[in-house]
Amino acid sequence: QKEVEQDPGPLSVPEGAIVSLNCTYSNSAFQYFMWYRQYSRKGPELLMYTYSSGNKEDGRFTAQVDKSSKYISLFIRDSQPSDSATYLCAMTTYNTDKLIFGTGTRLQVFP
Amino acid sequence: GAVVSQHPSRVICKSGTSVKIECRSLDFQATTMFWYRQFPKQSLMLMATSNEGSKATYEQGVEKDKFLINHASLTLSTLTVTSAHPEDSSFYICSATQGDSLNTEAFFGQGTRLTVV
Repeated sequence: QKEVEQDPGPLSVPEGAIVSLNCTYSNSAFQYFMWYRQYSRKGPELLMYTYSSGNKEDGRFTAQVDKSSKYISLFIRDSQPSDSATYLCAMTTYNTDKLIFGTGTRLQVFP
Repeated sequence: GAVVSQHPSRVICKSGTSVKIECRSLDFQATTMFWYRQFPKQSLMLMATSNEGSKATYEQGVEKDKFLINHASLTLSTLTVTSAHPEDSSFYICSATQGDSLNTEAFFGQGTRLTVV
């Protein structure tokens, strides 16, 4: 079993839709959770960074962490075609900077 | 946010030759740099972690004699793929963190597409 599981998609939604991206993990030592956006042939770009259970909002993005269920989500409101990319979740334990990534979910937002 | 520059963005080389990829932190001192490899439609796989002035720590299964990492300064790390073969063709990405505290943000380079022919 992988430490971090993420549905690879692809996920195709119309412009304006609310998108829900999810990851599950098995290691209860993970304490820090990140979401990255990666456009084709580019490096990942950090979107959200959180370390506590609950919701964190930044513009159209909301990151949700449920440590009891070992489940994290990223919600994108009012999705735009420019949001079309691969979204990677990543997480790390308290005592290291080593990130463990999900496989990424490819999102396509069509006009 | 902080900027990490990776160069070159794309390189094609002949089998048996060596290729050097540079990763620079442009506006901060990167105490730790990470090198990842990404296969198509797969996640980033950590290859090695390097701290300035010390030897890199390689992940299990990564050949340290094949993937040479040098982190000679706080703003520059290099990955050299020695005696490259077609199976080394991949997307290589570096990331850097700053400061002494753990769990700081990781900033990524733009990635290097290596094709070995």
